Amino acid sequence: GAGVSQTPSNKVTEKGKYVELRCDPISGHTALYWYRQSLGQGPEFLIYFQGTGAADDSGLPNDRFFAVRPEGSVSTLKIQRTERGDSAVYLCASSLTGFAYNEQFFGPGTRLTVL
Amino acid sequence: DAKTTQPNSMESNEEEPVHLPCNHSTISGTDYIHWYRQLPSQGPEYVIHGLTSNVNNRMASLAIAEDRKSSTLILHRATLRDAAVYYCIVNYGQNFVFGPGTRLSVLP
Repeated sequence: GAGVSQTPSNKVTEKGKYVELRCDPISGHTALYWYRQSLGQGPEFLIYFQGTGAADDSGLPNDRFFAVRPEGSVSTLKIQRTERGDSAVYLCASSLTGFAYNEQFFGPGTRLTVL
Repeated sequence: DAKTTQPNSMESNEEEPVHLPCNHSTISGTDYIHWYRQLPSQGPEYVIHGLTSNVNNRMASLAIAEDRKSSTLILHRATLRDAAVYYCIVNYGQNFVFGPGTRLSVLP
């Protein structure tokens, strides 16, 4: 079956621009997560959705970052006024439920480069 | 979520067993222990998880210390495909806190 997909795979933008990153989770998975990974480091949690609502957004670094999941499936991570420090691989994961023992399935990531 | 400590890197020969250690001395009674690995240019993938008892699956085994303050991921016969960064994560909540992990090199 289809896994988690993310588009685009690569995004190059200029400082100050707005970007949207899309995540298509596995069908039927109610939980969706966004992580950010900088070079040489482990993924860093950003936000977790249970259904349509953001159950935990404590990892969003500032108010330039926002994410939505309006119908409880596809999610979009939105970054306003991008900065060079936002350059990273943005990973999306989904799991069947939000319980701690559920496996998280990760997508391949979107590599964002801010020039 | 509890913090974990792992060696930065380890090396193994192909077809030999590999024991990847993880310390999590601040683990609480309801925390699960998860292992994920990340191959180059890919997202992390699930390896195994456990709570109190040792666990086996087709990929690996997880040995959990009796006091749960440490655990060991065991790859029974390392292959070149197992070269990756291995992350040990301890959590109760929904979000994972990844450390830098252990970079495993497998020598032919």
